[in-house]
Amino acid sequence: NAGVMQNPRHLVRRRGQEARLRCSPMKGHSHVYWYRQLPEEGLKFMVYLQKENIIDESGMPKERFSAEFPKEGPSILRIQQVVRGDSAAYFCASSPDRGSYNEQFFGPGTRLTVL
Amino acid sequence: AQKVTQAQTEISVVEKEDVTLDCVYETRDTTYYLFWYKQPPSGELVFLIRRNSFDEQNEISGRYSWNFQKSTSSFNFTITASQVVDSAVYFCALIFYGGSQGNLIFGKGTKLSVKP
Repeated sequence: NAGVMQNPRHLVRRRGQEARLRCSPMKGHSHVYWYRQLPEEGLKFMVYLQKENIIDESGMPKERFSAEFPKEGPSILRIQQVVRGDSAAYFCASSPDRGSYNEQFFGPGTRLTVL
Repeated sequence: AQKVTQAQTEISVVEKEDVTLDCVYETRDTTYYLFWYKQPPSGELVFLIRRNSFDEQNEISGRYSWNFQKSTSSFNFTITASQVVDSAVYFCALIFYGGSQGNLIFGKGTKLSVKP
C-alpha cells in the first residue's frame, strides 16, 4: 500500500524555466492538497483539488502558478517562468474523502532550487 | 484570525530528558481539529496525532503525550525520556470548520535537537 508519491524529489531550474511537480495520492484517495515550505518556515497551503476540480486555490500566487488533478494520472503543480523566490519544498498531501478533518497523508516533498 | 503559534523556535536537550513543545492557536470557530506532525532531517512529514475541539481528554502514546486545553487555546506535546531519533522539526497545525476545506494552518515549527 504505497503512500503519497511525489516526483521528482529534487528539481533544479534556471530562472525563466518551467517547473512541473507531480503528486500521486494514496490509493483510494481523491483529495489532493499542495503546500509550500519556504526555508525556515512552516508549511503554507496553496491549493486543494479533487478529481478534475479545483476546490480552493486561495493560497496560490496569482500569476505563474497553476494546478490540476485530471481524471487519470497524477496531480500536477506547474510553475511557469520560475524565479529565485520559488525555491522551496513543495509538499503534496492526500485524504480519502470529503471533509476537512481527515488526516492528510503527506508525500516526501519536491525540493525546487532555482538558480 | 486563524493562527497557530509555536513560540519555541529551537530546543536542545540531552537524551533521556523530558521535553514539552508548546502550541497555541487562535480560531473563532467552535469546531476545529488540531494536529501534530514530525519532520525528521530526511524531510518527510509524519503524522503524529489529530484531536477534535470537543475532546479535551489528554492522550498518551508510548513516550509521547498531548495536553489539550481549550481554556488556554493550547495543544502542547511532551516527549518523555527523549531519544536522539526524536531530533526533528515538529509542527502543530489547525483546521477549522469555517475555513477552506482541507486548509491546514501550520505553525512555524519547533526544531528539537536531542544530544546523546
